[in-house]
Amino acid sequence: GESVGLHLPTLSVQEGDNSIINCAYSNSASDYFIWYKQESGKGPQFIIDIRSNMDKRQGQRVTVLLNKTVKHLSLQIAATQPGDSAVYFCAETVNDYKLSFGAGTTVTVRA
Amino acid sequence: DAGVTQSPTHLIKTRGQHVTLRCSPISGHKSVSWYQQVLGQGPQFIFQYYEKEERGRGNFPDRFSARQFPNYSSELNVNALLLGDSALYLCASSLDGGNTEAFFGQGTRLTVV
Repeated sequence: GESVGLHLPTLSVQEGDNSIINCAYSNSASDYFIWYKQESGKGPQFIIDIRSNMDKRQGQRVTVLLNKTVKHLSLQIAATQPGDSAVYFCAETVNDYKLSFGAGTTVTVRA
Repeated sequence: DAGVTQSPTHLIKTRGQHVTLRCSPISGHKSVSWYQQVLGQGPQFIFQYYEKEERGRGNFPDRFSARQFPNYSSELNVNALLLGDSALYLCASSLDGGNTEAFFGQGTRLTVV
């Protein structure tokens, strides 16, 4: 089975609120993680990455947190906007060359 | 700068036919990976190529094959198409295919009828 999964398949957020998308992984040897955003009809768009020697990384309006103890990854989006509506995937590298994806969380932003 | 480009964007094929999908990576990137994304699921790894050599292969039958050219572009070939091969085929480009940022193209939507 897949080694990466997301806790919730859907998330509804009020515009302007913060969003938190969670992801659990099972491969304790994974050392690199990426969050992708995929809009309808498009390929996944790179958002932010984090290596296993870090527990937090910040980008523009996004923060990724990594808890290796419980094998949990989260993506926080600040001040969620309508353009943030999409499917979000976490992915981990396995054997340094392939990305293993979860099923995704669909985020819907309410106006 | 151009991102990852894939062609064609959409394709309809009949069961038993063969298909070739194409990908051009970001300039300077030497690694190309192929993924299959079935509706409602995350992408599944098919192949990775680096410097024209196959580095890894996912759990896909031998009907799936790929190659990388000297200019680092790549082709994915699928023989004897089945209805279940209908999916979005994604190409990802990275500098060296290791633990570095991977950027995806818009994908090729393949429908097998």
